[in-house]
Amino acid sequence: DTAVSQTPKYLVTQMGNDKSIKCEQNLGHDTMYWYKQDSKKFLKIMFSYNNKELIINETVPNRFSPKSPDKAHLNLHINSLELGDSAVYFCASSQRGGGAGNEQFFGPGTRLTVL
Amino acid sequence: GQQLNQSPQSMFIQEGEDVSMNCTSSSIFNTWLWYKQDPGEGPVLLIALYKAGELTSNGRLTAQFGITRKDSFLNISASIPSDVGIYFCAGSNAGGTSYGKLTFGQGTILTVHP
Repeated sequence: DTAVSQTPKYLVTQMGNDKSIKCEQNLGHDTMYWYKQDSKKFLKIMFSYNNKELIINETVPNRFSPKSPDKAHLNLHINSLELGDSAVYFCASSQRGGGAGNEQFFGPGTRLTVL
Repeated sequence: GQQLNQSPQSMFIQEGEDVSMNCTSSSIFNTWLWYKQDPGEGPVLLIALYKAGELTSNGRLTAQFGITRKDSFLNISASIPSDVGIYFCAGSNAGGTSYGKLTFGQGTILTVHP
């Protein structure tokens, strides 16, 4: 059974387009995250939601808009895509935000390529 | 913001050798985590540490939470070819505005020669 799933796995698009990435977790967790991994494999937090409420927004351009319709889903919409948005985007979830027993579990990633 | 320095950046070892990597931080964390990432996959949690000085093992892996709360190390004993991958340390602080966000090290790329 997949714990954290993301769709699509690969996304190739033209500059200026708008695209969405979807994430779902079946772990019953309250907190979900989006991370960006650049070409040098560096992982950086973008957003975090707890029970559908935005709790972390790490100075990400407002072209990126996360949405959490319920606590099992966290989607990421990106407007006016730029070349620098090319990266692998990971969704993660945890039981709650931090502390013992609240390890984060990651999805398989979405590789976004902007041409 | 908090910075994590992870070293070494890469390692090339022979099967059967032991491996050690570490992370240091410019400020304290109350949780240290070690993840492994295989090509085309997401990071997978290996070990989680929650108390300063804590030493935890998971099979051939052993990790320690530094007593100053600013560092952690991971050891892999008797390496095997499937240990190949990128290993990441990550720190977090529960509660407050951090709300468990992970700050990652730059990663250690491990190559194991049979």
